[in-house]
Amino acid sequence: QKEVEQDPGPLSVPEGAIVSLNCTYSNSAFQYFMWYRQYSRKGPELLMYTYSSGNKEDGRFTAQVDKSSKYISLFIRDSQPSDSATYLCAMWVGNQFYFGTGTSLTVIP
Amino acid sequence: KAGVTQTPRYLIKTRGQQVTLSCSPISGHRSVSWYQQTPGQGLQFLFEYFSETQRNKGNFPGRFSGRQFSNSRSEMNVSTLELGDSALYLCASSFGPSREQFFGPGTRLTVL
Repeated sequence: QKEVEQDPGPLSVPEGAIVSLNCTYSNSAFQYFMWYRQYSRKGPELLMYTYSSGNKEDGRFTAQVDKSSKYISLFIRDSQPSDSATYLCAMWVGNQFYFGTGTSLTVIP
Repeated sequence: KAGVTQTPRYLIKTRGQQVTLSCSPISGHRSVSWYQQTPGQGLQFLFEYFSETQRNKGNFPGRFSGRQFSNSRSEMNVSTLELGDSALYLCASSFGPSREQFFGPGTRLTVL
């Protein structure tokens, strides 16, 4: 079993929809949680960083962490075609980060 | 503030050759991590350097090595290249271990 599981998709939604992206993890020791967005042929771009259970909001993005269920989510409100990318979750424990394999999202105009 | 830079951006090598990739972190960042990204495996951790010391290493063979200089710039070396080494190699810098990482654009290595 991988440390971090992420549905690869692909996910296709119409413009303006609310998008929900999710990751589950097995190691209860994970302390820090991040979401990255990666456009084709680019490096990942940090979107959200949180270290506690609960919600964190930044513009149209909301990151949610549920440590009791070992589950994290990223919600995108009013999705735009420019949100079309691969979204990676990442978590930190010990001395390294562990990444999900990414979910491919397409927002259709 | 300038972001993480990586050179070269693209590289084509043949099996058996060796390659050196370079990474310049964000100014003030002392931690540099390297990752290999492939479609099948996703992002896999190679190693992390902090203040010129390797702090952690992933599960890659000894052909993969790295170093960090006093100005925090880092290099990664792969010797005796194999076809399976074709990947996007990403460098990420952070202020310190466990802090949020910022990625460079990557070096796309193709091994023929």
